Amino acid sequence: NAGVTQTPKFQVLKTGQSMTLQCAQDMNHEYMSWYRQDPGMGLRLIHYSVGAGITDQGEVPNGYNVSRSTTEDFPLRLLSAAPSQTSVYFCASRLSRRSGANVLTFGAGSRLTVL
Amino acid sequence: AQKVTQAQTEISVVEKEDVTLDCVYETRDTTYYLFWYKQPPSGELVFLIRRNSFDEQNEISGRYSWNFQKSTSSFNFTITASQVVDSAVYFCALSESGYSTLTFGKGTMLLVSP
Repeated sequence: NAGVTQTPKFQVLKTGQSMTLQCAQDMNHEYMSWYRQDPGMGLRLIHYSVGAGITDQGEVPNGYNVSRSTTEDFPLRLLSAAPSQTSVYFCASRLSRRSGANVLTFGAGSRLTVL
Repeated sequence: AQKVTQAQTEISVVEKEDVTLDCVYETRDTTYYLFWYKQPPSGELVFLIRRNSFDEQNEISGRYSWNFQKSTSSFNFTITASQVVDSAVYFCALSESGYSTLTFGKGTMLLVSP
């Protein structure tokens, strides 16, 4: 099992460019989510999905779009990158959408720099 | 709303010292789950433990132990006889029952020097 796979691992963008961070899981997990990690801020939830076709906003959703067309994939889109979006991004999934007890499995992270 | 506070931003100890990382949480739910994750310098997030709100037994796993106290809304993590390999950022996190997201504290960076 690959678990949660994120691509790319590193990306440098210029202000105003768009890009998509890819996230795929092969564990048939219902729930998927995106976090960003900034120094001194911990991990903050951007968007999450409780199943194909269902997404919702987290704590810091502005500037990001998501969609969930399949159970396996949950891409994060930056439509017009800003320097404030420089961060490390983590995708995470868990088995059940209904249970907060399930452990989140994280991808390896994607480091994004916006110049 | 759920909230997790890790007041210690950074802790420095010398190898073999014991160290306790504090975690205080807030929730209105009676059923909730507390987690600790470790993030070593390599950057990945590693699950350490989950505790549900109905189980206040302390847990020990090797040099690691966790003290859950509902009366003070705390879920503290102690490393006994710390080692250099314990150097990492440690995150405490909380989720509630049902359709709940996982809320993290800001993390505590632990530096263990030889």
